[in-house]
Amino acid sequence: NAGVMQNPRHLVRRRGQEARLRCSPMKGHSHVYWYRQLPEEGLKFMVYLQKENIIDESGMPKERFSAEFPKEGPSILRIQQVVRGDSAAYFCASSPRPGQATRYSGNTIYFGEGSWLTVV
Amino acid sequence: RKEVEQDPGPFNVPEGATVAFNCTYSNSASQSFFWYRQDCRKEPKLLMSVYSSGNEDGRFTAQLNRASQYISLLIRDSKLSDSATYLCVVRPPGNQFYFGTGTSLTVIP
Repeated sequence: NAGVMQNPRHLVRRRGQEARLRCSPMKGHSHVYWYRQLPEEGLKFMVYLQKENIIDESGMPKERFSAEFPKEGPSILRIQQVVRGDSAAYFCASSPRPGQATRYSGNTIYFGEGSWLTVV
Repeated sequence: RKEVEQDPGPFNVPEGATVAFNCTYSNSASQSFFWYRQDCRKEPKLLMSVYSSGNEDGRFTAQLNRASQYISLLIRDSKLSDSATYLCVVRPPGNQFYFGTGTSLTVIP
C-alpha cells in the first residue's frame, strides 16, 4: 500500500495516560504534517516535519504535545497526560518536496485515514 | 488575518442544482491551489487542483482569480453523493499548505 498509513486507527485512553500516534508517509514523500479535528470542527494544523527536523510547530499546544520524524521509522505524535479535550481525530498527511511529483502522487498533500483518540 | 477564508455554509441544495463555493487567500505569492472533499468521519481527499486558466473535471469547475485572490468551485447537476464538506487549500512559496475551514454541502432529494 503506497498510501499514508496511520496507526492505531482507534485509541482509547484514560485521563492522565499517554497517547502515541504513528504515521508512515506515502512512498517517495519526505514531508509529514499532523492535523487535529475536533468533533464538528474544521482541520487544525499542528506541526510540519521533515526527517529529523521540525519545520513548523506553530499549531502545536506548548505543553503535553510533541512530534518527531526520525531518520528511520514513522513519524510519532505524542500526547502526554491526556485530558478529555484531547479527544479528536488526528490526521497525518504527507507531501513530496516542492515541485516534485512522484510516481505515486502529484505535488500536493495526501492524508491518512486518521487516528481517532477517545479519552475517558 | 487568516491565510485562507471560506464561507462555512451550510449549503442545502436540491438535486440537479448548481452550487458555487468561494475562498479567499491572503498571500499574493501563493503558487498552488486545490479543492479537497471531506466526508463525515473520513480523511480529506484531493478533489482537483486549480489552474490559472481554470479547469474542469466532469461536473466540477475550478477557477482562480489572482488579482482578487480568490478561488472558486462550481458543481453542476448536484448529486446526493456530492454531500460533503469542501475545503480549499492554498500553498504559498515553501511547502506549507493552508486549509480553509470548509464549506458544508447537503444535496437534498
